[in-house]
Amino acid sequence: EPEVTQTPSHQVTQMGQEVILRCVPISNHLYFYWYRQILGQKVEFLVSFYNNEISEKSEIFDDQFSVERPDGSNFTLKIRSTKLEDSAMYFCASRATGTSGFSYEQYFGPGTRLTVT
Amino acid sequence: AQKVTQAQTEISVVEKEDVTLDCVYETRDTTYYLFWYKQPPSGELVFLIRRNSFDEQNEISGRYSWNFQKSTSSFNFTITASQVVDSAVYFCALSEPYNYGQNFVFGPGTRLSVLP
Repeated sequence: EPEVTQTPSHQVTQMGQEVILRCVPISNHLYFYWYRQILGQKVEFLVSFYNNEISEKSEIFDDQFSVERPDGSNFTLKIRSTKLEDSAMYFCASRATGTSGFSYEQYFGPGTRLTVT
Repeated sequence: AQKVTQAQTEISVVEKEDVTLDCVYETRDTTYYLFWYKQPPSGELVFLIRRNSFDEQNEISGRYSWNFQKSTSSFNFTITASQVVDSAVYFCALSEPYNYGQNFVFGPGTRLSVLP
């Protein structure tokens, strides 16, 4: 069964460093998402991406964040200068499109645990 | 504005008991989608069910059942004859089709512990 994959599973970085989290969405999906989950808290939306551009972003997704689809398969989240409060699990998700604006379920990757020290 | 509430932070049951997880949502749209996801201790998010706002039929899948009531804006999830493997955090989520990105708004989750 197709699945969303994410690498690395765990990333440790120092405050101020740049990190890139990588995702390979399900191949025939066209909508891509990043969410984050601070330990013990709820899953929060960061950004959605469609047709090679951001379609929506939350207040969390400030100028230090960026997303890119550098090729036909990868979808990346870059954090330019990490802060302690960026420590969280980051989930990538992808979604198929349907006709008539139907919202199909999002399939989530296993997550990347980012630890900023 | 969209909002999802899961009032039960943690629930503990003994194996074979039935348990219901509550979800209450707020939305201004008449068309929307509701979801349940399971997050086991390993951390991944596992899709369980999608329900469209125009379909109020309840659904049963094995030991799982869902009760959708638009009148009370609730989408509750019942596990019958719970098992230890059901121990996880369960999230209810809402999506609106006219929200261009159709991102999810998640509830805070309910941690279910099923004791042997």
